[in-house]
Amino acid sequence: AQSVAQPEDQVNVAEGNPLTVKCTYSVSGNPYLFWYVQYPNRGLQFLLKYITGDNLVKGSYGFEAEFNKSQTSFHLKKPSALVSDSALYFCAVRDMSTDSWGKLQFGAGTQVVVTP
Amino acid sequence: GAVVSQHPSRVICKSGTSVKIECRSLDFQATTMFWYRQFPKQSLMLMATSNEGSKATYEQGVEKDKFLINHASLTLSTLTVTSAHPEDSSFYICSASGLAGTYNEQFFGPGTRLTVL
Repeated sequence: AQSVAQPEDQVNVAEGNPLTVKCTYSVSGNPYLFWYVQYPNRGLQFLLKYITGDNLVKGSYGFEAEFNKSQTSFHLKKPSALVSDSALYFCAVRDMSTDSWGKLQFGAGTQVVVTP
Repeated sequence: GAVVSQHPSRVICKSGTSVKIECRSLDFQATTMFWYRQFPKQSLMLMATSNEGSKATYEQGVEKDKFLINHASLTLSTLTVTSAHPEDSSFYICSASGLAGTYNEQFFGPGTRLTVL
């Protein structure tokens, strides 16, 4: 079975400072990893994904994430946070070896608060 | 990217009535659609997975007679909440995967806020 952990309920950062949102995962096979962002009363917006290849993945709005197989982590990062980055962030994983329908397991979510 | 729409975006109904929510893939054929439920400040909980032309597969603990899912075409899936009660109030999100994207990637709708009075 697959699982995702986002250890921080909330991350606070000042505008202009680096932002990191942590995610660790557990799958029996090869992982397919995603980051999504959700603004209040809205659906999920795709940020980036890792399937294979380069461990550093660049995504939308200046975000990037690094896949670390040995630490089973996929932390989301942004070098300089903006107030508009304040939102709820979800990490998700799919086990490529066991699931043919594409079911995703979501983490609990991390609320990011960027202060001016 | 592929676009998924949901209708309505917001619905308020009386207890005991049924509510239908539509999920459409606008520019691709969705062979599989997923329905999620989300409570305030919580994660998405997968309710069911449906493949076009087949019965939906429900997750453990989800009442299939209460949450009726129909996936009659490659661009439309519907979720009907039957005999809704206040505890069914939630944010419902659909996603679709199929011939767009790669590796059966899911594309998410904007969500439907259901309030049962």
